[in-house]
Parts: sequence; structure tokens; C-alpha cells
Amino acid sequence: GQSLEQPSEVTAVEGAIVQINCTYQTSGFYGLSWYQQHDGGAPTFLSYNALDGLEETGRFSSFLSRSDSYGYLLLQELQMKDSASYFCAVKSNTGKLIFGQGTTLQVKP
Amino acid sequence: DADVTQTPRNRITKTGKRIMLECSQTKGHDRMYWYRQDPGLGLRLIYYSFDVKDINKGEISDGYSVSRQAQAKFSLSLESAIPNQTALYFCATSAQGTGELFFGEGSRLTVL
Repeated sequence: GQSLEQPSEVTAVEGAIVQINCTYQTSGFYGLSWYQQHDGGAPTFLSYNALDGLEETGRFSSFLSRSDSYGYLLLQELQMKDSASYFCAVKSNTGKLIFGQGTTLQVKP
Repeated sequence: DADVTQTPRNRITKTGKRIMLECSQTKGHDRMYWYRQDPGLGLRLIYYSFDVKDINKGEISDGYSVSRQAQAKFSLSLESAIPNQTALYFCATSAQGTGELFFGEGSRLTVL
């Protein structure tokens, strides 16, 4: 089976940096994705790591360590609009994607 | 127009009724998925399909069935709805070899 763990809530102030961690247990690991979801909306794709290391896309970066079964999403220069839920998702070698329970990020002024 | 379209967007029904949620996509992707979202439980995979002849159970398939009518269409059925199937349902698509899912806007189902 597959399981993922991420913190349920994180709070940070505008302009700060926040890191959301994700640890996973899975057979046939293929890659780790991150998604953002605002209240009432559809999840939207942020990043995907199949190899170890850091991927940077603007203010957002994602990191993967396959040997540690661990990844994180790093959000820099936080803005109020970044308040949302963030999900990590494991892609297995069967092609399916299983999601974590999500981390609610609250950005305060 | 949205790339991934779900209908209906909202539905209220009664216990025991048969319900179908439909999903169509214009992205040309072979892979389609149905997820269920409940507060605090994230998104759980119900069924997924990698082409018209390929249907696979996900984490929580009991009480659900699916039909892949064409590459662009993937429908989810609840044969006899029960209240604990009240949830927000998302359809998604992806291209092979990526970790990127494209989601529809969701279908909110309430079973009384």
C-alpha cells in the first residue's frame, strides 16, 4: 500500500518562507507531485519531482530525497493569496497518484 | 471552455437512488481518474483508467462503478447512493509519463 504524511496546518506571515514536508511509504515509487487548492476550487498542479534534488519554479520550490522517502515544498516571499491547502501526491510505477491529507497554510499580514 | 468538464456541478439525491457523474476532456489525454474529497481526508482515488479498455480500482472503489465510453469521457456511477457518499468528487486527466493531473471543477454530491 501507500501512505503519505504531511502536517495538517502551518501558519506564517506575509513575506516569510515556509516549508511543507511530506514523508511517504510506497512500493514502486515513481515521483512526488505537489498541488495547491483554494477553498471551493479544484486542485492545481505546482511541481513534480522524479529525481533527487530541488526544482524551482518562481517563488515555489520542491525537493525530493528518494533514499529518505521525503520531500518538501518551499514557498518564498509569502503572499496572502498563498493561503490555501497544499497536497503532496505519490506517483507509483502503476501510474496512479495517491494524495496526502493536505496541509492548510494560513498566511497572516 | 474548460479542458476537463464535470456534470452535474451540484446534485442532491436520496438514499438508494442511482447517480451518474460525468466527465469529459478536451486535452487528448489517455489517462483519467475519479477522486473523492472529504474534509480532512484529502483526495482519495476511486477508479482510474489508462485507455478505453483499461479500468482499475483505486483506494475506495466499493459502492462505485465507472465507464470509459471514449478516450474523452469517463463517468462515475453510484448504483445505490448512501449518505456517507456525500462528498466533493473530482475528475482528472493526465498525460503518460508525467506527475501532472488536470482537474475538473468538481461535482458536489449530497445524499439525504
